[in-house]
Amino acid sequence: RKEVEQDPGPFNVPEGATVAFNCTYSNSASQSFFWYRQDCRKEPKLLMSVYSSGNEDGRFTAQLNRASQYISLLIRDSKLSDSATYLCVVRNTGNQFYFGTGTSLTVIP
Amino acid sequence: GAVVSQHPSRVICKSGTSVKIECRSLDFQATTMFWYRQFPKQSLMLMATSNEGSKATYEQGVEKDKFLINHASLTLSTLTVTSAHPEDSSFYICSASGWGQPTGELFFGEGSRLTVL
Repeated sequence: RKEVEQDPGPFNVPEGATVAFNCTYSNSASQSFFWYRQDCRKEPKLLMSVYSSGNEDGRFTAQLNRASQYISLLIRDSKLSDSATYLCVVRNTGNQFYFGTGTSLTVIP
Repeated sequence: GAVVSQHPSRVICKSGTSVKIECRSLDFQATTMFWYRQFPKQSLMLMATSNEGSKATYEQGVEKDKFLINHASLTLSTLTVTSAHPEDSSFYICSASGWGQPTGELFFGEGSRLTVL
């Protein structure tokens, strides 16, 4: 079983829509969780860390469910500029990082 | 946030030559650096993990004699693609983690696009 599983999509949504991505992880001892955004032909960049209590940054909300071992990212009021690949990243106690395959999002005018 | 610099950003070389890519952490000590490869429209693939002062740990299927990784200092890791062939053409990205980052995330270099003719 993969350490991190993520639906690769693609997700094609109209502007203004709300879209959610989920990511499951297999190691219950995982310590830290992140969502990264990767634009075409660019390096991944941190979008937001995911905290146990959930956290929000503008139109983006990240949540962690330790009991079910998944993290989620919700994007509200999608913009064209949100089109990218979204990667979930999980860090375990041994300073090892595991990536999902990335979910491709295209926001359509 | 912390900065990781990768160089060169683009390189074109002839088949059979070797190419070195540098990854530097500019404002923190990177105890661990990771090297990835990404083919077009595919996800990042971890190639190896390097810890400062020790040998790199390679992922299954990655030839350690072909992809030489050196992490001699806390701020520099290098990836050398030896005897490059056209199938090695790819986007190579490094990332780093280490001391001085309270949030514990990974920081990525800008990536190096290798084209082997």
